[in-house]
Amino acid sequence: DSGVTQTPKHLITATGQRVTLRCSPRSGDLSVYWYQQSLDQGLQFLIQYYNGEERAKGNILERFSAQQFPDLHSELNLSSLELGDSALYFCASSVGAAGGHGETQYFGPGTRLLVL
Amino acid sequence: DQQVKQNSPSLSVQEGRISILNCDYTNSMFDYFLWYKKYPAEGPTFLISISSIKDKNEDGRFTVFLNKSAKHLSLHIVPSQPGDSAVYFCAATFFGNEKLTFGTGTRLTIIP
Repeated sequence: DSGVTQTPKHLITATGQRVTLRCSPRSGDLSVYWYQQSLDQGLQFLIQYYNGEERAKGNILERFSAQQFPDLHSELNLSSLELGDSALYFCASSVGAAGGHGETQYFGPGTRLLVL
Repeated sequence: DQQVKQNSPSLSVQEGRISILNCDYTNSMFDYFLWYKKYPAEGPTFLISISSIKDKNEDGRFTVFLNKSAKHLSLHIVPSQPGDSAVYFCAATFFGNEKLTFGTGTRLTIIP
């Protein structure tokens, strides 16, 4: 158990809909990262928040947005969903802002999103 | 543009033998490399890392080798155990870059 929790575990929805994925980081961790893993793909970095502020942005679509709240939990909002958005979405957390450089990211179990 | 490549989607190894997982990268700025292990229905778990100032890092049964001139790294697991059966992801980053760039993973199966 990494200490990072994600809800829900599974989500099935229809095209055009909007969903919210939730992540609670490990106690004491200030950074939250979101990754998308599509079928047979590696994890693609979407976005990082550090202590409530956006820190780094990756290949995140404009239809997607995220935020980190004062209690440090984070939400990833996916809107106008398309079939291609079906994927595993992972959240990770770390103590500081350095990302993977010398700092371990701890991953949650993921949310599996299926868009029909 | 796949900057980190794991060209073997799967690998089967007999229990007790050596498992060698390979990873290639194209971005010369990468100076820190990591291996993550993933079991089904779980998130990736950090396994071992190596900085570009080293060419080898060892942690128990796991050793990572880095060949900067070839832009290649490998993970050696000796001896392989059934619990090592998982998907292994190689990842890379560089100082000042907060994100990790992952490969597509190699599924390792240890045969008892």
